[in-house]
Amino acid sequence: AQTVTQSQPEMSVQEAETVTLSCTYDTSESDYYLFWYKQPPSRQMILVIRQEAYKQQNATENRFSVNFQKAAKSFSLKISDSQLGDAAMYFCAYRSVGAGGTSYGKLTFGQGTILTVHP
Amino acid sequence: DTGVSQDPRHKITKRGQNVTFRCDPISEHNRLYWYRQTLGQGPEFLTYFQNEAQLEKSRLLSDRFSAERPKGSFSTLEIQRTEQGDSAMYLCASSFAENTIYFGEGSWLTVV
Repeated sequence: AQTVTQSQPEMSVQEAETVTLSCTYDTSESDYYLFWYKQPPSRQMILVIRQEAYKQQNATENRFSVNFQKAAKSFSLKISDSQLGDAAMYFCAYRSVGAGGTSYGKLTFGQGTILTVHP
Repeated sequence: DTGVSQDPRHKITKRGQNVTFRCDPISEHNRLYWYRQTLGQGPEFLTYFQNEAQLEKSRLLSDRFSAERPKGSFSTLEIQRTEQGDSAMYLCASSFAENTIYFGEGSWLTVV
């Protein structure tokens, strides 16, 4: 079974600064997806960024980028130019890709990191 | 496209009562998922439907839990004989094939 670990229960950052959230995972699979989801106080989970394991290039979405180290099973999220609206709980998640490229669909989440943004 | 909607958003029930939650996925999404999330924790997978077929169930889904997705559209999650340990937020999510999974706002359950 796959596991996802987020070792930082809480992080804080000053507005306009950069912060990095850590995530490690354990799997015996060679092909999979990794995600970062954001859950603001309103509680709806929103996808921030997605990475396919077969892609060596790190994914980037505007101010959000990842550092994907497949051999080390590490998947960190960097938020640049932090904004007050970035304050939320952030979850790292893993999703298998089954035989024949058909995903089993299930997301396995880490414990989450609460991000506070100071004005 | 109104997103994934869940009803009710909040439910308070007495221990031993049955509760049912409904999820309406994004239209044309063939996959539907249920997760449970307790305060300060990440969501835990409960079950997964592809169209009307329930393809995977977690061991967390005890005999008191049942989920259905008739006609492959909306889904219901029923908890029978609720216990205080069932208090949590129940999240529904949907996707089309392997595309992005979208989550609803969740249904909070408090068992007193």
